[in-house]
Amino acid sequence: KNQVEQSPQSLIILEGKNCTLQCNYTVSPFSNLRWYKQDTGRGPVSLTIMTFSENTKSNGRYTATLDADTKQSSLHITASQLSDSASYICVVSASILNTGFQKLVFGTGTRLLVSP
Amino acid sequence: NAGVMQNPRHLVRRRGQEARLRCSPMKGHSHVYWYRQLPEEGLKFMVYLQKENIIDESGMPKERFSAEFPKEGPSILRIQQVVRGDSAAYFCASSLQGLTEAFFGQGTRLTVV
Repeated sequence: KNQVEQSPQSLIILEGKNCTLQCNYTVSPFSNLRWYKQDTGRGPVSLTIMTFSENTKSNGRYTATLDADTKQSSLHITASQLSDSASYICVVSASILNTGFQKLVFGTGTRLLVSP
Repeated sequence: NAGVMQNPRHLVRRRGQEARLRCSPMKGHSHVYWYRQLPEEGLKFMVYLQKENIIDESGMPKERFSAEFPKEGPSILRIQQVVRGDSAAYFCASSLQGLTEAFFGQGTRLTVV
């Protein structure tokens, strides 16, 4: 069964501190992995997208890693800001064989609260 | 190039009424996905459509729910005879092709009273 699990479920950190969010998946056949940020009441916004051959990708203060062997990914946030308070969702894309289509499997997200 | 547009942003329906949610994908995108998000929960896949085709509807409830993406016009998610349990945020995403980046709309918040 295709699943994406994230940890922790929620996290509180002080402004300026770093944090790392985890994502484990059992999705096959794997196409790519994305991290989205979802502010309360808004739609998810893409932070990074990584394919099988990519180990790390950065987007400003966000750095995502991918270990395709262990099927794990992490999202590291550096020097957190109050505006980083949101849900962070790991999404794994599974290609539907011989169709060119994909199925997006969502994790339940990590709720991050950055406290002043 | 506007992003994915969903309307209405908020929709209130009485039990038993019909709800129609619209999603206009980004320009040039021919793939649309619908997701439902209950309060305090993650996004749950409902249906994946390409123009005039349903690719995957494994997440759609068997009754009362239907979706279409016509050749012209927006994608429509239709919920007939709504019940209180249908109250949720419904998000639409679109992508250029089947395996490319998916961009999300701001969602439609459906409240059934």
